[in-house]
Formats: sequence, C-alpha cells, structure tokens
Amino acid sequence: DSGVTQTPKHLITATGQRVTLRCSPRSGDLSVYWYQQSLDQGLQFLIQYYNGEERAKGNILERFSAQQFPDLHSELNLSSLELGDSALYFCASSVAEPNTEAFFGQGTRLTVV
Amino acid sequence: AQKVTQAQTEISVVEKEDVTLDCVYETRDTTYYLFWYKQPPSGELVFLIRRNSFDEQNEISGRYSWNFQKSTSSFNFTITASQVVDSAVYFCALRGGGAQKLVFGQGTRLTINP
Repeated sequence: DSGVTQTPKHLITATGQRVTLRCSPRSGDLSVYWYQQSLDQGLQFLIQYYNGEERAKGNILERFSAQQFPDLHSELNLSSLELGDSALYFCASSVAEPNTEAFFGQGTRLTVV
Repeated sequence: AQKVTQAQTEISVVEKEDVTLDCVYETRDTTYYLFWYKQPPSGELVFLIRRNSFDEQNEISGRYSWNFQKSTSSFNFTITASQVVDSAVYFCALRGGGAQKLVFGQGTRLTINP
C-alpha cells in the first residue's frame, strides 16, 4: 500500500459528461501529481500542485482542471468528456524535493461510452 | 527536453532465467534522478528504486539489481532467477534537477512463463 488513495477505482460515463476524480496524498506529502495512462500515449504528466498551488503543468487539456485543497487532497475535474479521454488516471504524491520518489495511488479507470 | 527510451516493448522468458530491461535517457541537466516502477496486472504503479545522477554505484536488492552508467546514459534493470510474480510492465523514469515531473519511458512488458 503506497499510502495514496484514489477514488473511485472505476468510472463509466457518457460522452459530454463531467466527472471528478479524488486523491488523498500520503501523510506529510505536500506535492500531488496527476498522470494519465493510455495505450497510445503511455504515462503522461498532467499537472502538479504543491501545498495548494499549481506548480507545473504538462499535457493537460483545457477541458481538464485540478485543484488541491487546504487538507492537501486533490481533485481532477474532467469535463465535456470524449471517447479518447478513456484512460487510467493516476495520482501521485511526494515531498517537495526532486531527489525523492513519488508514490502512486491505484488509479481511477475512466471509461467514456 | 528530457526523454526516456525503453526499446524492449515485450520480453518473455521462462521462470528462473535472468532478464535485463534496458533504459536509455536523455537530459541536459547535470543533476537528475532516475527511477524504476513496476505495474503488475492489478494496475497500480509500485516504486522500485531511485538513483541520483551523482551516484553511479550499482545497487542490488535481493534478486533485483540496477546498473547505472552515465557514460552511456543508461540505467538498466536485471532480475535474477525470475519468478512468475515478476510478470508486469516495468517503467523507467527521469526527473530533472529543477523539475518536479517524472518523464516515463513507454514501458517493457515482462512475462515470466512457468
């Protein structure tokens, strides 16, 4: 158990809908990262938050947004969903330093039908 | 730009064989960090090892060993006496000194047959 909790584990929704994925980081970790894993793109970095503030942005679509709350949990909001958004979405957390490993949650498998 | 290449898409071996997973990276940073993660069939990503760019000492942990060579920009992973439970997708990743995000390779799917 990595200590990172993601909910829900599975999500099936229709095109055009909006969903929210939730992540609770390991105790003491201030950084939260979101990654998307798809068959064609592999593991892609979406966005990072550190102690409530956006720290870095990757290949995140404008239809997607995220935030980190004062209790350090994070949410990834995906809207106007398309079939191509079907993927495994991972949250990871770490302490702030680059020379530390990130621990990943079990992921949320999103299926858009 | 940073890049990680895992040229072996799939590897299949018989149990008890030794197997090496290759990882080649590109970065302009003088300080960087390399990682290996394991993704078993259940789907989660499990951290295996971190190596700092200034520490070229190889590491052994049980049946797992890692060979880091800056001269060839490689960070290879060897499993000795493989077991069926080692079957998974293995990812090599890179983080630059100033960056926070991990850049992943495409992964190597390792199948250990009984």
